[in-house]
Amino acid sequence: KQEVTQIPAALSVPEGENLVLNCSFTDSAIYNLQWFRQDPGKGLTSLLLIQSSQREQTSGRLNASLDKSSGRSTLYIAASQPGDSATYLCAVRGGSEKLVFGKGMKLTVNP
Amino acid sequence: NAGVMQNPRHLVRRRGQEARLRCSPMKGHSHVYWYRQLPEEGLKFMVYLQKENIIDESGMPKERFSAEFPKEGPSILRIQQVVRGDSAAYFCASSGTGGGGYNEQFFGPGTRLTVL
Repeated sequence: KQEVTQIPAALSVPEGENLVLNCSFTDSAIYNLQWFRQDPGKGLTSLLLIQSSQREQTSGRLNASLDKSSGRSTLYIAASQPGDSATYLCAVRGGSEKLVFGKGMKLTVNP
Repeated sequence: NAGVMQNPRHLVRRRGQEARLRCSPMKGHSHVYWYRQLPEEGLKFMVYLQKENIIDESGMPKERFSAEFPKEGPSILRIQQVVRGDSAAYFCASSGTGGGGYNEQFFGPGTRLTVL
């Protein structure tokens, strides 16, 4: 059974810091991994999707890497801003069509 | 090109009533997924449907919950005789094609169900 873990559950940092968010999963047989952002009371916004054959994806200040063999992914946020404050979710997709989510990491970026 | 639409956005029901949640997938998408987010927990898969077929309902509670995706119209998640423990955010996602897992799922804004 696939399990996804995100540690820590919460992080508070001053504006301008470069951040690394961690995600680990127990079953390396995945098709892809997605990072999402969720604002309070809102839906999910897809940030980056990495296919199993890829090592990383970049979008603006965001960079996500994937190491399937070790069951790890990291989301790198450069030069963090208060607007980056949100909950970040990691999800993997295995042999079935469903996504398995971690519990998320609540990020607060202080001005 | 509208995204995934869900309605209502907020739904309040009393214990024992029925809740109906609707999801219209993105244009051109024929695969729909429902997820539930309980307070202080991550999103959990409930059911995966294609037009007129339930493909995987391994995450659905055995009783009171049902889902459909008819040939015409939105997908419906139905909860009968709601209890307080059903209070949660229910999210719908859609994708263009299933199989192989390479396609991306796009999420709607969710329906927040409160059971009094």
